Amino acid sequence: AAGVIQSPRHLIKEKRETATLKCYPIPRHDTVYWYQQGPGQDPQFLISFYEKMQSDKGSIPDRFSAQQFSDYHSELNMSSLELGDSALYFCASSVGGSSYNEQFFGPGTRLTVL
Amino acid sequence: SQQGEEDPQALSIQEGENATMNCSYKTSINNLQWYRQNSGRGLVHLILIRSNEREKHSGRLRVTLDTSKKSSSLLITASRAADTASYFCATGDNYGQNFVFGPGTRLSVLP
Repeated sequence: AAGVIQSPRHLIKEKRETATLKCYPIPRHDTVYWYQQGPGQDPQFLISFYEKMQSDKGSIPDRFSAQQFSDYHSELNMSSLELGDSALYFCASSVGGSSYNEQFFGPGTRLTVL
Repeated sequence: SQQGEEDPQALSIQEGENATMNCSYKTSINNLQWYRQNSGRGLVHLILIRSNEREKHSGRLRVTLDTSKKSSSLLITASRAADTASYFCATGDNYGQNFVFGPGTRLSVLP
């Protein structure tokens, strides 16, 4: 069965650079969530989208922005990168626009900021 | 804000033993979900239990939910070395938002 796809899987950037992470949800899933997981930390919710509109916002820094496109894929844009942004970034998808249903997670993008 | 908290933080058992991990949260929830994560890899959904359910089974997994105590437990029976991973609980509120992960329990199953 198709799963959530994230690209790239690994990304190395310098401080103050920008990065764009992409997420392709499971077909027919209309909701996308982004999470950040620092080393040894639990995943922290960043932001979610339902039907191309932002549905919930968590601890996403102002330097980050995201959007969901007409084909339901989502991109997380990160600017002015800091060392502390080094983490695993997970995308998850579900159906129905809320956390009432199971979220299916992608493999994650490991971002390293040097 | 609600927060799932796991207990214990780390658990080491022998293969064949049962492993019990607990999770507590603070506010009203719609559902509680358990996830597994192998080191540095993606999260795998294990079980979703809704606030009107008390117990749920899936293979060797058994999850209980006590909304009066705002707690849940995940029991893995007849553990195997391949069960070694971190286990997280996550809760969603009654508005379908605020999906919050707890700190996780690192389970080590020794052969």
